[in-house]
Amino acid sequence: EAGVAQSPRYKIIEKRQSVAFWCNPISGHATLYWYQQILGQGPKLLIQFQNNGVVDDSQLPKDRFSAERLKGVDSTLKIQPAKLEDSAVYLCASSLVKGKNIQYFGAGTRLSVL
Amino acid sequence: DQQVKQNSPSLSVQEGRISILNCDYTNSMFDYFLWYKKYPAEGPTFLISISSIKDKNEDGRFTVFLNKSAKHLSLHIVPSQPGDSAVYFCAARRNYGQNFVFGPGTRLSVLP
Repeated sequence: EAGVAQSPRYKIIEKRQSVAFWCNPISGHATLYWYQQILGQGPKLLIQFQNNGVVDDSQLPKDRFSAERLKGVDSTLKIQPAKLEDSAVYLCASSLVKGKNIQYFGAGTRLSVL
Repeated sequence: DQQVKQNSPSLSVQEGRISILNCDYTNSMFDYFLWYKKYPAEGPTFLISISSIKDKNEDGRFTVFLNKSAKHLSLHIVPSQPGDSAVYFCAARRNYGQNFVFGPGTRLSVLP
């Protein structure tokens, strides 16, 4: 079974530029999550999708962050414009159904904003 | 407001000995807990879980203990192996359907 795929693995941009991350969850997983992990901290949930609908985006900074999952499969997370404090690893995870206990994580995208 | 705390940023243990990783939480409504392991440049992988109706759960070398009155859980690894060297995250959930809150992690180093 293929795992959660994320790209790119690394991205370096200057502040005020825009960036996009892509995630392809495990086949058949209805629920998709985007997390932000700042160095030295645990993952923090940014947004959760159930199929192509948003379930929870309460911690997503909506003035600069956006995410979509148009066909209920893969997803993109965008930051526009980026700030220095957005430097982090962005993790995508998926689970079979909403609330299912175990989430499967991708390797993440490490973003550096200079 | 850090609801899940892992107060030891790092831990070093000799190979073959026991590793004990601790996790404290503040929200008494948490009812399900997970431990994840993370190697460098990889995503976290699920290790073991425990429900609040239990006080212990075992899976091979890994045992998780839950003390609800103290709002404390611990992960025991016996015997520790060099391949266990990783960052361990504790995560907690309020009830079914709610999202997990992660602790900051503890870096375990198992020395040969």
